[in-house]
Amino acid sequence: QKEVEQNSGPLSVPEGAIASLNCTYSDRVSQSFFWYRQYSGKSPELIMSIYSNGDKEDGRFTAQLNKASQYVSLLIRDSQPSDSATYLCAVNIPGNTPLVFGKGTRLSVIA
Amino acid sequence: NAGVMQNPRHLVRRRGQEARLRCSPMKGHSHVYWYRQLPEEGLKFMVYLQKENIIDESGMPKERFSAEFPKEGPSILRIQQVVRGDSAAYFCASSPGGTDTQYFGPGTRLTVL
Repeated sequence: QKEVEQNSGPLSVPEGAIASLNCTYSDRVSQSFFWYRQYSGKSPELIMSIYSNGDKEDGRFTAQLNKASQYVSLLIRDSQPSDSATYLCAVNIPGNTPLVFGKGTRLSVIA
Repeated sequence: NAGVMQNPRHLVRRRGQEARLRCSPMKGHSHVYWYRQLPEEGLKFMVYLQKENIIDESGMPKERFSAEFPKEGPSILRIQQVVRGDSAAYFCASSPGGTDTQYFGPGTRLTVL
């Protein structure tokens, strides 16, 4: 059974701090990894995708992937109140299969 | 380039009625996915379709629910004889291929009275 696990939170961080969101997955052959942000009452919005081990940076966001540990994380630097949302981790395995989503981590950035 | 479009955005039905939710994928995308999200819960995969084919319907209830993605026109998620428990947000996503990034539509909020 393919599973993606995330701490549901809420994760509270002060404005300007680094927010660290974590995700583990069960299927070793997973190849593609995605982070989506979902504001309350809105649809998920893609933030980052990562395919190989290491770090990938995009603005204030850094995705980190460690396939040996089956672990993917998202760091948000200089957190802003507008970053307050639920962050969904999604994982894809080879073949014609849909993404598997975690239940999401609720992030609250306190001004 | 228009994104994924869903309509209606809000749909109210009485118990026993039918609900039809429509999804038009992004231009160039031939793969469509439907998800359901209950309040304060995560996304639950329902069904994955390509044009004229259902690829994976493992997340869709066997009764009352059906989905199609015809050669022409939008994908349709149909819920017959709706019950209060069907009240949820239904999201559609599309991708160019089966393992590509999925882009989400704005969702349809279904309320069953």
